[in-house]
Amino acid sequence: QVTLKESGPALVKPTQTLILTCTFSGFSLSTSGMRVSWIRQPPGKALEWLARIDWDDDKFYSTSLKTRLTISKDTSKNQVVLTMTNMDPVDTATYYCARIPGGRGTYMDVWGKGTTVTVSS
Amino acid sequence: QTVVTQEPSFSVSPGGTVTLTCGLSSGSVSTSYYPSWYQQTPGQAPRTLIYSTNTRSSGVPDRFSGSILGNKAALTITGAQADDESDYYCVLYMGSGIYVFGTGTKVTVL
Repeated sequence: QVTLKESGPALVKPTQTLILTCTFSGFSLSTSGMRVSWIRQPPGKALEWLARIDWDDDKFYSTSLKTRLTISKDTSKNQVVLTMTNMDPVDTATYYCARIPGGRGTYMDVWGKGTTVTVSS
Repeated sequence: QTVVTQEPSFSVSPGGTVTLTCGLSSGSVSTSYYPSWYQQTPGQAPRTLIYSTNTRSSGVPDRFSGSILGNKAALTITGAQADDESDYYCVLYMGSGIYVFGTGTKVTVL
């Protein structure tokens, strides 16, 4: 059974750096074709794709946020980490990680439950 | 900036049929964008319904179907049930590891 779980601080101050961890089980990011993405959703708004990391350590970022995002993986721990710098109140959102299965990597098939982050002083 | 547009809301009667669409601000949606669809109820994580235009994810009832209609991707719910009342999002894969979510459609069953 594939599961993913997001963790991180519930509250960060403006200008701080957010570090979120996605801990998963049921698959390995060292398996060819496997990928993990981060997605966020501000309260009452639409989902927004943020970043993706692949089994071969290729990394992809949202064009609008790429200067602030870093995605990395620790295959031995089955974890993917997302770092977002210079946090602002508009970054208040629920942050999800999701698996992107092998093949062309065109969709998310299993999602974590999300972690809520509030940006406020 | 690519914008993927969806109808803000739809209302459907129990047992009825509703078709949601997913379009591009500039250009047509084709199977080359591998459209996928996700269902989200309030306070819950999204659930994958459809991928690669028309393939149902495991466990998804066959009343959900995906297609290309004209220049848009489409999700059709046939025989709507009360628990289909949710927000629905499409995603287009733009290639080169980039994904764009649609604006979302709120479906009410009444």
